[in-house]
Amino acid sequence: NAGVTQTPKFRVLKTGQSMTLLCAQDMNHEYMYWYRQDPGMGLRLIHYSVGEGTTAKGEVPDGYNVSRLKKQNFLLGLESAAPSQTSVYFCASRAGGGGDTQYFGPGTRLTVL
Amino acid sequence: AQSVTQLDSHVSVSEGTPVLLRCNYSSSYSPSLFWYVQHPNKGLQLLLKYTSAATLVKGINGFEAEFKKSETSFHLTKPSAHMSDAAEYFCVVRLTSGTYKYIFGTGTRLKVLA
Repeated sequence: NAGVTQTPKFRVLKTGQSMTLLCAQDMNHEYMYWYRQDPGMGLRLIHYSVGEGTTAKGEVPDGYNVSRLKKQNFLLGLESAAPSQTSVYFCASRAGGGGDTQYFGPGTRLTVL
Repeated sequence: AQSVTQLDSHVSVSEGTPVLLRCNYSSSYSPSLFWYVQHPNKGLQLLLKYTSAATLVKGINGFEAEFKKSETSFHLTKPSAHMSDAAEYFCVVRLTSGTYKYIFGTGTRLKVLA
């Protein structure tokens, strides 16, 4: 039982390049979330999903897209990376129903030059 | 609007002395409240959570927090700090309406001095 995993762990992009971050969970959780963490700002919600095939915008969605084609995977895409997207990205999942504890992945450190 | 405020961005304590990390929240509904810990270059780990049962919540590694509705606070405490407690701590409130989003505080970095 690996919990929540994220791929890759580190990445360096040039401005304008694209990439996809993969989040996978093996706990059969309904809800999945993408956050970014910047110094002094806590975690801010980018996008989230309440089930397979559904996505919704969070607090800071601009410049990102997401997809949830399979229940266990939640992909975060950057179509044209910008230096402002340099950050640490965390994925989280939680069960549906009464479960409200989020479980976090180890993070992806992204640098955009 | 719901929000969470961590009153100290940095806290320093000596090893063996008590830890107090302060968190205040505002919520229109009965909140679910969480404390997470993040060690350097690691993900977030749940320390404890309050979900309207006992107001004093015990967590892992000797931490506990008390929910005080009259003060809208959920402060995190530990009787005796250990060097391994040095980390960043986040207070989190869950929105109870709509689709279950979470609001994070800006974090408190705890430093433990030998």
